[in-house]
Amino acid sequence: EADIYQTPRYLVIGTGKKITLECSQTMGHDKMYWYQQDPGMELHLIHYSYGVNSTEKGDLSSESTVSRIRTEHFPLTLESARPSHTSQYLCASSEYGAGQVGEQYFGPGTRLTVT
Amino acid sequence: QKEVEQNSGPLSVPEGAIASLNCTYSDRGSQSFFWYRQYSGKSPELIMSIYSNGDKEDGRFTAQLNKASQYVSLLIRDSQPSDSATYLCAVKLGNQFYFGTGTSLTVIP
Repeated sequence: EADIYQTPRYLVIGTGKKITLECSQTMGHDKMYWYQQDPGMELHLIHYSYGVNSTEKGDLSSESTVSRIRTEHFPLTLESARPSHTSQYLCASSEYGAGQVGEQYFGPGTRLTVT
Repeated sequence: QKEVEQNSGPLSVPEGAIASLNCTYSDRGSQSFFWYRQYSGKSPELIMSIYSNGDKEDGRFTAQLNKASQYVSLLIRDSQPSDSATYLCAVKLGNQFYFGTGTSLTVIP
């Protein structure tokens, strides 16, 4: 079944730790995205990728990095977590190609708490 | 100016009524338009997409697009308590998606 997977779903860690949030998709999509969303607030784009070995920063600088070595995998790494990183992190993917509507689908999210 | 503007609500409608949600966008180059439903603590779920002027119907949902007015709306007919959620409007501009802050809808039994 085509889907988007995120792990872990919930994570509580201490300040200064390095963490990687995993995202995989079986949608066959080229484009993938990471968003950050605080409760009741709008989504903020952190990073996006158009395909393998392609990554770009979004509007929100969250001191994170991403990699895209495989089409289906788009992990997000926080080198040194801070309490300000406490938020929900959403991974998404969309289809690519001229003339396509480009619908974007979201994974279930990772809720991160930094103590 | 934000790319996408929505009335944050809250919007309350009685069960069985029509809920009308509205959205405006600023960039005329926007290509595709989307409505997502987001339950509290969950991720957004795509419910409708539209890219041509006019109406698009899917079950109880109708999306309306007016590019001249830069306006997108979502109608939910026969509203159910399970429709209570935040509804996000999104537009696709180039390869990026821009989201509104969402409208909170409560359907009262």
